[in-house]
Amino acid sequence: QKEVEQNSGPLSVPEGAIASLNCTYSDRVSQSFFWYRQYSGKSPELIMSIYSNGDKEDGRFTAQLNKASQYVSLLIRDSQPSDSATYLCAAELQGGSEKLVFGKGTKLTVNP
Amino acid sequence: GAGVSQSPSNKVTEKGKDVELRCDPISGHTALYWYRQSLGQGLEFLIYFQGNSAPDKSGLPSDRFSAERTGGSVSTLTIQRTQQEDSAVYLCASSATGSSLGDTQYFGPGTRLTVL
Repeated sequence: QKEVEQNSGPLSVPEGAIASLNCTYSDRVSQSFFWYRQYSGKSPELIMSIYSNGDKEDGRFTAQLNKASQYVSLLIRDSQPSDSATYLCAAELQGGSEKLVFGKGTKLTVNP
Repeated sequence: GAGVSQSPSNKVTEKGKDVELRCDPISGHTALYWYRQSLGQGLEFLIYFQGNSAPDKSGLPSDRFSAERTGGSVSTLTIQRTQQEDSAVYLCASSATGSSLGDTQYFGPGTRLTVL
């Protein structure tokens, strides 16, 4: 199993719906997880980080971490066309290496 | 500038030539990372610099790749004898301390390398 795996999609949701993005991880990563958004032709930008089991909310975004099942998810409520982008899940490798491993990303399209 | 800058934005080269890619991190950031992103793929870690410590080169794909960071600031990634499979977007990121817990990596705009 790769360290971080994502469903590459594409995922298409109507405007106003909830978009759910999922990521699973292996034992080779630590407990620090990040969601980056990458618009086409642009560089990634961090939108959420989560370290503890449970939910973390920031505006329309909620990150969920389930350590028992080894998955982390990102929910986008009231999806907007401007949310259309590729979402990258990332995790820090075990051993305090400070480097991140990324999933391949899930492409989200929000249809007006 | 306020963000991470990279140059050139685009580089087209012939197979076998050497290329240098430059990254200027956010002022004061001690940690600097290089990643590679091939078409349709996630980001692949290449190398990590933290302050004056020896760099973590564990992600460099071959000995044709090298990087240095002068004066704890600007970094140059060098690819010797480029191959077509080196074609990708090379992204640089910096963070304040390199401790990912609560520390954000800020990415530059990237250099798109095309090897003909």
